[in-house]
Amino acid sequence: NAGVTQTPKFQVLKTGQSMTLQCAQDMNHNSMYWYRQDPGMGLRLIYYSASEGTTDKGEVPNGYNVSRLNKREFSLRLESAAPSQTSVYFCATRTDRGLGYTFGSGTRLTVV
Amino acid sequence: KQEVTQIPAALSVPEGENLVLNCSFTDSAIYNLQWFRQDPGKGLTSLLLIQSSQREQTSGRLNASLDKSSGRSTLYIAASQPGDSATYLCAVTSGNTPLVFGKGTRLSVIA
Repeated sequence: NAGVTQTPKFQVLKTGQSMTLQCAQDMNHNSMYWYRQDPGMGLRLIYYSASEGTTDKGEVPNGYNVSRLNKREFSLRLESAAPSQTSVYFCATRTDRGLGYTFGSGTRLTVV
Repeated sequence: KQEVTQIPAALSVPEGENLVLNCSFTDSAIYNLQWFRQDPGKGLTSLLLIQSSQREQTSGRLNASLDKSSGRSTLYIAASQPGDSATYLCAVTSGNTPLVFGKGTRLSVIA
C-alpha cells in the first residue's frame, strides 16, 4: 500500500523551463492537494481538488496550473519556472469523512 | 482567514524530560486538528488527529489536547528520547476548507 506517491523526488530546472510534478494515490480518496514548503513560511496551499473534474486555487496559485486527470492522479505544472518557485512540493489526500490528511514524501525543486 | 501559530519555534531539552508544544488558532470553528512530525528532508507523518467534538487523543508517549473555545491545542511528549528530535507541525481544517498549517516547532532532544 503506497499511499501517496510523488515523482520526481528531486529536480533542477533552469529559469523559463517547464515541468510537471506528478502525484498518485491508491486510497480512493476524492480530495487531493498541492502544498509548497519554504523556510520560515511553513506549508502553503497552491491548489486543491475536491473531486475528479474540479480544481480550486489555494493561497499561492500564481505561476502554477493543475490537472485532476482521474480520481487517482493530480498533477502540478510549472509553465515557466522562476527562482521564486524553488521549494519542496507536497501532495496530499484527505479521507472522504474528513478524518485526516496523508502526505507524499515530497519533490525538492530547485530553479536556477 | 484561519491563522495557526506554534510556540516555541525551537526547543532543546535533555533526554527524559516531559515537554509541551503549543498551537493556537484564530477561528475556533474548526472541524479537526492534526499534529504531524517531519524529519529533516522528509515528508509529513501524521501523529494524532482530534475531531472538534473530542478533547484529547493519545498514542503511546504522545497526548494531544484540544480547547476549541480558547483556540488552543497542546502536544505533550512524555519521557522524551533523541529519536523524538524533529519538527512538529500543527494544522487545522474547518469543514471542507483545506488544512492550514502553523510554522512548526523544531525539537532537539539531547542524549
